[in-house]
Amino acid sequence: VQMVQSGPEAKKPGESLNISCKASGYTFTNYWIGWVRQMPGKGLEWMGMIYGGDSETRYSPSFQGQVIMSVDKSMTTAYLQWSSLKTADTAMYYCARQDRSFDYWGQGTLVTVSP
Amino acid sequence: SYEVTQPPSVSVSPGQTATITCSGDKLGQKYVSWYQQKPGQSPVVVIYQDDKRPSGIPGRISGSNSGNTATLTITGTQAMDEADYYCQPWDSRNVVFGPGTKLTVL
Repeated sequence: VQMVQSGPEAKKPGESLNISCKASGYTFTNYWIGWVRQMPGKGLEWMGMIYGGDSETRYSPSFQGQVIMSVDKSMTTAYLQWSSLKTADTAMYYCARQDRSFDYWGQGTLVTVSP
Repeated sequence: SYEVTQPPSVSVSPGQTATITCSGDKLGQKYVSWYQQKPGQSPVVVIYQDDKRPSGIPGRISGSNSGNTATLTITGTQAMDEADYYCQPWDSRNVVFGPGTKLTVL
């Protein structure tokens, strides 16, 4: 099993962004994929999760309306999207397969938002 | 939403036993996972469903969960165990992480 995320991003406030998480080595449609934020020097925050089979999503109340999660089953890839970034979105973002735990993690995508 | 607490830091001497707690209301009624994160690395699950170890995790790492407290125990602590540890209870449709505990091996 591998979760490979897209590379680091440097953006300005107000810009849009889409980061990806390419899953392989398992049946994509049978598992949820979670997204986790880690702000600089801080702990892990669960943002939400999306089911690879039917794109059902469950967002943390803290992130509802702030981001959009999606999947492309044909590409076995999950996406995390922002329509208008803020400097407070500067963080490392991880995707992880969700089974009885978050058992496989991506390497993280560093998003830096500065004027 | 459900919340859990962890001590910010725990210190242990090499070879001794490290105990990291995670506390929450009726936590023993939920499954708890534990994650280890070293600087600059992605988290790694070390315990899932309270006390199960994934393959590759050494037997000196164990977990338990009862009442309001889940516990991660590392016996014979080594320098390589120095890391941040996060508990994560499964709560119906939502997921929460504990605030994390920095384990220092002195």
